[in-house]
Amino acid sequence: GENVEQHPSTLSVQEGDSAVIKCTYSDSASNYFPWYKQELGKGPQLIIDIRSNVGEKKDQRIAVTLNKTAKHFSLHITETQPEDSAVYFCAASIAFQKLVFGTGTRLLVSP
Amino acid sequence: DVKVTQSSRYLVKRTGEKVFLECVQDMDHENMFWYRQDPGLGLRLIYFSYDVKMKEKGDIPEGYSVSREKKERFSLILESASTNQTSMYLCASSSPGLAGGYEQYFGPGTRLTVT
Repeated sequence: GENVEQHPSTLSVQEGDSAVIKCTYSDSASNYFPWYKQELGKGPQLIIDIRSNVGEKKDQRIAVTLNKTAKHFSLHITETQPEDSAVYFCAASIAFQKLVFGTGTRLLVSP
Repeated sequence: DVKVTQSSRYLVKRTGEKVFLECVQDMDHENMFWYRQDPGLGLRLIYFSYDVKMKEKGDIPEGYSVSREKKERFSLILESASTNQTSMYLCASSSPGLAGGYEQYFGPGTRLTVT
């Protein structure tokens, strides 16, 4: 089955810096790659997603890139703010419905 | 706004007890999911359901069962709770929209402690 690896497990940046989180997947048939943000005491919430027919997608300060050949995708956050501090999960899906999640990255943005 | 609610935020049960975790969504979603979240392991799928009375095993179904008698409600059952089932349990729902979004909406989670 699909396996998703996520790095780093923790990431500390200064406010205003950029943050990058990377994920690799094992099944070349995967075609949907969402990113979820989980704030303390809450369930994960979708922040951006990308499909296999697109190489890059951007939404304000966040962007996701996908390299199908290498089977990896990354989340980029620019101009980080303290409210970006949270746990971020990548995921991959073949059937668009059943997701396999990475192990999570705890992002800490210091003022 | 989609709302997914879970019956309890915190639950403490004893080893061997039968435990019911309830999840309700208010957006008429077809799909519902149960995950457990453990540090360093991310979210792992226990069971999911694509329709009423339908269920499929996820990646870690052992020791769990589910019930979906109504579209809006999906229950997770621990037949005989064990200490290794101490975890955060997350419920989610989704619906294949016209744009094929398949976004999963999560509840706030139930932190279960089995002593």
